[in-house]
Amino acid sequence: RKEVEQDPGPFNVPEGATVAFNCTYSNSASQSFFWYRQDCRKEPKLLMSVYSSGNEDGRFTAQLNRASQYISLLIRDSKLSDSATYLCVVNPNSGGYQKVTFGTGTKLQVIP
Amino acid sequence: EPEVTQTPSHQVTQMGQEVILRCVPISNHLYFYWYRQILGQKVEFLVSFYNNEISEKSEIFDDQFSVERPDGSNFTLKIRSTKLEDSAMYFCARGGRTDTQYFGPGTRLTVL
Repeated sequence: RKEVEQDPGPFNVPEGATVAFNCTYSNSASQSFFWYRQDCRKEPKLLMSVYSSGNEDGRFTAQLNRASQYISLLIRDSKLSDSATYLCVVNPNSGGYQKVTFGTGTKLQVIP
Repeated sequence: EPEVTQTPSHQVTQMGQEVILRCVPISNHLYFYWYRQILGQKVEFLVSFYNNEISEKSEIFDDQFSVERPDGSNFTLKIRSTKLEDSAMYFCARGGRTDTQYFGPGTRLTVL
């Protein structure tokens, strides 16, 4: 099983749609989880951290399911500007300024 | 405003040559990271650097690679003898107060 696994997509959705991505991780001891977005040939940019209780930031909602070892990202009311690759990132270390592991990313294309 | 800046934005070199990639933090940080992303592939951890020492490195970070912070500000990644397969985007990141990481715009390295 890969350390961090994502469906590569692409997900093609119309503007205004709701879309959800899942990500599974293999290390049950993992402590921190993040979603980043990456535009073509640009650097990853932090979208949001994922907390155990779930968290929301505007149109974006992240959930963590430790028992099943997956995290999810829900985007409501999709905008054209949401088109990007969404990267699931897992840090196995507690309080860790250490290695994080990236998934391969899920590509989202929002269509007018 | 970027968290870190990186120079050059694009480096073209001949196989076997040495390259130095530079990362300049905007403000004083202690935690730094180098990642690479081969075109079409996932972001891969290379090395983490804390308080002027390597704290963790991946299996990719072999003897051809080195990092240092020569003047207490710039953070450099050196590749001693480049190979074709070193062609990639190289991202520098700095650590935040939590374990989130903020990426620079990257250097595209092309080895001919």
